[in-house]
Amino acid sequence: DAGVIQSPRHEVTEMGQEVTLRCKPISGHDYLFWYRQTMMRGLELLIYFNNNVPIDDSGMPEDRFSAKMPNASFSTLKIQPSEPRDSAVYFCASSFGTAYSNQPQHFGDGTRLSIL
Amino acid sequence: GENVEQHPSTLSVQEGDSAVIKCTYSDSASNYFPWYKQELGKRPQLIIDIRSNVGEKKDQRIAVTLNKTAKHFSLHITETQPEDSAVYFCAAFGGSQGNLIFGKGTKLSVKP
Repeated sequence: DAGVIQSPRHEVTEMGQEVTLRCKPISGHDYLFWYRQTMMRGLELLIYFNNNVPIDDSGMPEDRFSAKMPNASFSTLKIQPSEPRDSAVYFCASSFGTAYSNQPQHFGDGTRLSIL
Repeated sequence: GENVEQHPSTLSVQEGDSAVIKCTYSDSASNYFPWYKQELGKRPQLIIDIRSNVGEKKDQRIAVTLNKTAKHFSLHITETQPEDSAVYFCAAFGGSQGNLIFGKGTKLSVKP
């Protein structure tokens, strides 16, 4: 298995622009998670999906952030408009589980986002 | 909701020594506790995990212990090597939340 695949690996853009991060989970996994990692705040859960349905988006910082999962093999995280404080590494992770997924989460390589 | 505290934030040991990282959690219903290792510029990778029906688990030089009564769990690395240098994260899952809650991480440095 190729693991969780994220694209792009690096993104540099100017503030105000729309940013789209992409994730392909491991085939067969029914949970997908988006995290943001910064030195100051550590690893933060933004949102997670179960069977393509958003379950908890309480970690999404503002209305500028949105996430979708149109099918079992693809998810996007969008920031519009982007701001310098959004600069971080964004990780996608997936896992397989039942009602409460107490199974290991497997992380992608992340997208390093820099907003100038 | 669940809260996970991790200590210490930084740890420096000599090669060959042991390293211990400790975490506490708040939700007694939590039932799954993974540990992740993150090398600089790379993704977090699962290194070991333990479920609430087990008190200890070992995998070569790595072991994890769980004390449900005290609500704390620890990572033990023996015979440390320079390649063990990384940031280690503990996490807790379960209870009222359907997702992992991560500790803030411990930066481990192993000096040759």
